[in-house]
Amino acid sequence: EDQVTQSPEALRLQEGESSSLNCSYTVSGLRGLFWYRQDPGKGPEFLFTLYSAGEEKEKERLKATLTKKESFLHITAPKPEDSATYLCAVQGQGGETSGSRLTFGEGTQLTVNP
Amino acid sequence: NAGVTQTPKFRVLKTGQSMTLLCAQDMNHEYMYWYRQDPGMGLRLIHYSVGEGTTAKGEVPDGYNVSRLKKQNFLLGLESAAPSQTSVYFCASGMGRTRGKLFFGSGTQLSVL
Repeated sequence: EDQVTQSPEALRLQEGESSSLNCSYTVSGLRGLFWYRQDPGKGPEFLFTLYSAGEEKEKERLKATLTKKESFLHITAPKPEDSATYLCAVQGQGGETSGSRLTFGEGTQLTVNP
Repeated sequence: NAGVTQTPKFRVLKTGQSMTLLCAQDMNHEYMYWYRQDPGMGLRLIHYSVGEGTTAKGEVPDGYNVSRLKKQNFLLGLESAAPSQTSVYFCASGMGRTRGKLFFGSGTQLSVL
């Protein structure tokens, strides 16, 4: 059974204070690791896909990295508009035969104060 | 471009009542999913569909039924609602081959009293 654990559960930062969110995973044959952003009252919004250890993806102030056991979402000089819940998800070996289904972590709630 | 649209946005039911949640997508996606999101539990897959006329069980299917009669629509039914089904329900769609890039609706807040 695929499992995803995210830490910390909640993180408060001052504007400009860089930090990282962690996503640890257990999966039988990783096909992809995904990061989503969720704003209050809305559905998750896709950010990144990582496929193999050593891969990195960047978007504005966000950078996602992947190792064989975990992924990090690095936030550089965050702004208040970066406040959201960040979700990590994995797709295991079943792939398209199991509907390309994802297993999600519980998320990290990030608050960036001005 | 509407993307993924869910109706209704809010609903209150009494125990034992039935209802149907509707999800519509206009992106011609083959794959559609129903998730529920609960505090401390994260997003959990209820049912999914890999194409018109197909459905399959996810992680927490009990108490729910689904139908995919048209490619663009995915319906989630609760035949006899229970308080344990109080949750936020999200529909999502994807191409499958994009390997996890899903597009989510804005959710339905359901309370069962």
